[in-house]
Amino acid sequence: ETGVTQTPRHLVMGMTNKKSLKCEQHLGHNAMYWYKQSAKKPLELMFVYSLEERVENNSVPSRFSPECPNSSHLFLHLHTLQPEDSALYLCASSQGTGGSGANVLTFGAGSRLTVL
Amino acid sequence: GQNIDQPTEMTATEGAIVQINCTYQTSGFNGLFWYQQHAGEAPTFLSYNVLDGLEEKGRFSSFLSRSKGYSYLLLKELQMKDSASYLCAVLDSNYQLIWGAGTKLIIKP
Repeated sequence: ETGVTQTPRHLVMGMTNKKSLKCEQHLGHNAMYWYKQSAKKPLELMFVYSLEERVENNSVPSRFSPECPNSSHLFLHLHTLQPEDSALYLCASSQGTGGSGANVLTFGAGSRLTVL
Repeated sequence: GQNIDQPTEMTATEGAIVQINCTYQTSGFNGLFWYQQHAGEAPTFLSYNVLDGLEEKGRFSSFLSRSKGYSYLLLKELQMKDSASYLCAVLDSNYQLIWGAGTKLIIKP
């Protein structure tokens, strides 16, 4: 496999459920990201990991919990979500986090989340 | 605050030329990116501008004017497959990406 792979592509969950989104990159990149994409809104950065250490957490509610066990894998654990959390969750990777070409992002196709 | 403005939606005809504008107000500037996103697919990198001027890549060109806080993406010889959303993003002084809401481009035969 190549690029950035996200699973599942679609997820429907109730507010009391616990689920996880998975992301895997096969590019040898050092940084991985979780973004939230809602209709007609700018991409919202949720979490950034660089060399497996979290370097950014943009005031994301604690019901979203990231995990980065190694430089190729990233998870987003979900629990007690709200209907307004329904969105497309995009994973991305980049060579680094500072400057020019290091910031070119390669995205996965996203996980479409619906919270009932 | 930091802000990126781009039109919500544009319509163009197959074979024609379209220009998608992006204006920005950010804390510092370390480059501007354009991404293409087809419906239900991943955004993909199109271009990166850090110096003023025009960068051409085949049918796509991207222009930057730092003094005006302005960029545009020019698409020539439009094809149906160019129907997509086009995302503008600026790298600020802290190397944080600030995103626009995207422009949905509809190509008609």
